[in-house]
Amino acid sequence: SQQGEEDPQALSIQEGENATMNCSYKTSINNLQWYRQNSGRGLVHLILIRSNEREKHSGRLRVTLDTSKKSSSLLITASRAADTASYFCATDGGGSYIPTFGRGTSLIVHP
Amino acid sequence: NAGVTQTPKFQVLKTGQSMTLQCAQDMNHNSMYWYRQDPGMGLRLIYYSASEGTTDKGEVPNGYNVSRLNKREFSLRLESAAPSQTSVYFCASRQGQLKQYFGPGTRLTVT
Repeated sequence: SQQGEEDPQALSIQEGENATMNCSYKTSINNLQWYRQNSGRGLVHLILIRSNEREKHSGRLRVTLDTSKKSSSLLITASRAADTASYFCATDGGGSYIPTFGRGTSLIVHP
Repeated sequence: NAGVTQTPKFQVLKTGQSMTLQCAQDMNHNSMYWYRQDPGMGLRLIYYSASEGTTDKGEVPNGYNVSRLNKREFSLRLESAAPSQTSVYFCASRQGQLKQYFGPGTRLTVT
């Protein structure tokens, strides 16, 4: 079963706008990671945030984590057409070797 | 440093045929994974190997077998392919609970 659930399932915006997608999970975690998948390709890691961190930045990406609400958000600022992809969150908990993935948010950025 | 490689990239099988999907990583990672991805379903874990010499079932193991041949290689075998196994298959590897590295995927069609 999938622990992470992304919201919304689909997002369509214009180039230059910001895109925000959310991830909710059910059990306690050690870390949460975001991945991007371009059409027909494998997933590419974007950012990892640990359970004791609240916010992390990487270029135009900003990730927040609220462990009290068991949720995370990924913000892409000043989006570009090249950001068009599906975005997945994945969580790790306890001593498990198995990250659990959500079903993803499909982002379309119109030029 | 090639990362994670998968072969073949595409395959068409008839129902009942068998085949092996190959995966190799050159990052000296302990853990390796096989996922399938179907439209709207996100990633589902088939099997994983936490370390060389060990393999464990994931969420959807029925109809599949795996072999962790050595630290580098993790193969997935379909003994008697069924149309329900039509999917895109991804191999991934990682160290501990750090980021996963994904291969480019194998698109399998079973007719």
